[in-house]
Amino acid sequence: EAGVVQSPRYKIIEKKQPVAFWCNPISGHNTLYWYRQNLGQGPELLIRYENEEAVDDSQLPKDRFSAERLKGVDSTLKIQPAELGDSAVYLCASSQTYPSEKLFFGSGTQLSVL
Amino acid sequence: RKEVEQDPGPFNVPEGATVAFNCTYSNSASQSFFWYRQDCRKEPKLLMSVYSSGNEDGRFTAQLNRASQYISLLIRDSKLSDSATYLCVVNRGQAGTALIFGKGTTLSVSS
Repeated sequence: EAGVVQSPRYKIIEKKQPVAFWCNPISGHNTLYWYRQNLGQGPELLIRYENEEAVDDSQLPKDRFSAERLKGVDSTLKIQPAELGDSAVYLCASSQTYPSEKLFFGSGTQLSVL
Repeated sequence: RKEVEQDPGPFNVPEGATVAFNCTYSNSASQSFFWYRQDCRKEPKLLMSVYSSGNEDGRFTAQLNRASQYISLLIRDSKLSDSATYLCVVNRGQAGTALIFGKGTTLSVSS
């Protein structure tokens, strides 16, 4: 079974540029998460989807971040414009809503903003 | 107060040692508890779920104290391959709500 697929693996951009990350969850997983992980910290939730509905986006900096999961399968996270402080690893994870809350993570996208 | 707080690290132990990690959570409505393991430059992976009755998986034992809102992970007979960061994870409330990660505690096992 294929795991959670993320792309790109690495991204280097200059500040004020836009950037987008893509995630394809495990087939059949209705719940999709985007987390941001800074060096030496645990993953921080940005947004959670149940199918195509964003059910928890309270931590998403909405002035520059946006996300979508139009067909309830793959998802895109966008930053526009990027700031130096956005440098981090962006992790996508998926799970079955119930009964399991076990998260399966992708390999992440390491973003460097110069 | 942070939603999930863990022991500050790093823990440096010799092979064969027993080591314990602690974690506290702030939301008394939380219902699901986990320990995840994250190797350097890798994604987190589920190590084990934590149940009220406590549970054991080989050398790993997890305990939950709901009254104190406290979770622990005990590793016995540490191996070099146990070196990693251990993340305490708690859900926000009802089943199916978002999982919140602690900062993580780094373990380094040396020969």
